[in-house]
Amino acid sequence: AQSVTQPDIHITVSEGASLELRCNYSYGATPYLFWYVQSPGQGLQLLLKYFSGDTLVQGIKGFEAEFKRSQSSFNLRKPSVHWSDAAEYFCAVGAMREYGNKLVFGAGTILRVKS
Amino acid sequence: DTAVSQTPKYLVTQMGNDKSIKCEQNLGHDTMYWYKQDSKKFLKIMFSYNNKELIINETVPNRFSPKSPDKAHLNLHINSLELGDSAVYFCASSQGIGLQFGPGTRLTVL
Repeated sequence: AQSVTQPDIHITVSEGASLELRCNYSYGATPYLFWYVQSPGQGLQLLLKYFSGDTLVQGIKGFEAEFKRSQSSFNLRKPSVHWSDAAEYFCAVGAMREYGNKLVFGAGTILRVKS
Repeated sequence: DTAVSQTPKYLVTQMGNDKSIKCEQNLGHDTMYWYKQDSKKFLKIMFSYNNKELIINETVPNRFSPKSPDKAHLNLHINSLELGDSAVYFCASSQGIGLQFGPGTRLTVL
């Protein structure tokens, strides 16, 4: 069965500083990996996804993530954080089935941005 | 706008009542889902339907009954609501890998 660990419950960074959110997964086969962002009171928005190929994937809002199979990690990064990035970030691992797919989510990391 | 939409956005009700949440997607996706996000923000899949057929049922109490009248709609009916049902319920759809989520329905059971 898949599982996802996000070790950091909260992270606080200064505006303009770089950001890295950690994600470790457990899955027996090649994983499909995702990062979603949830602003307060809002739904989940897909930031980026990894299926195969280049292990560094670019997403929306200037985010990127790197898949490292040897470390079972898919960490999210941004070189310069903006105040509007304050939100909760969820990493997810997916298993493709014959029909549809099942995403298992981590517990989330709350990002606070200080000015 | 192409999207996943849910109604209502907020639902406040008494214990023991029966309520429904509706979901519609106009993305042409074949598969739809219900996820529950609890008070600790933990997201867990409840159900998945593909072309109106149930394909994932994650040991959800049978007070929860999903219904898919067509592949663009997946409704969730909850009988005999309990305090522990208070959560945000997200509908999602997919075609292949990756899910697109609706805005969520915040259910509060008093």
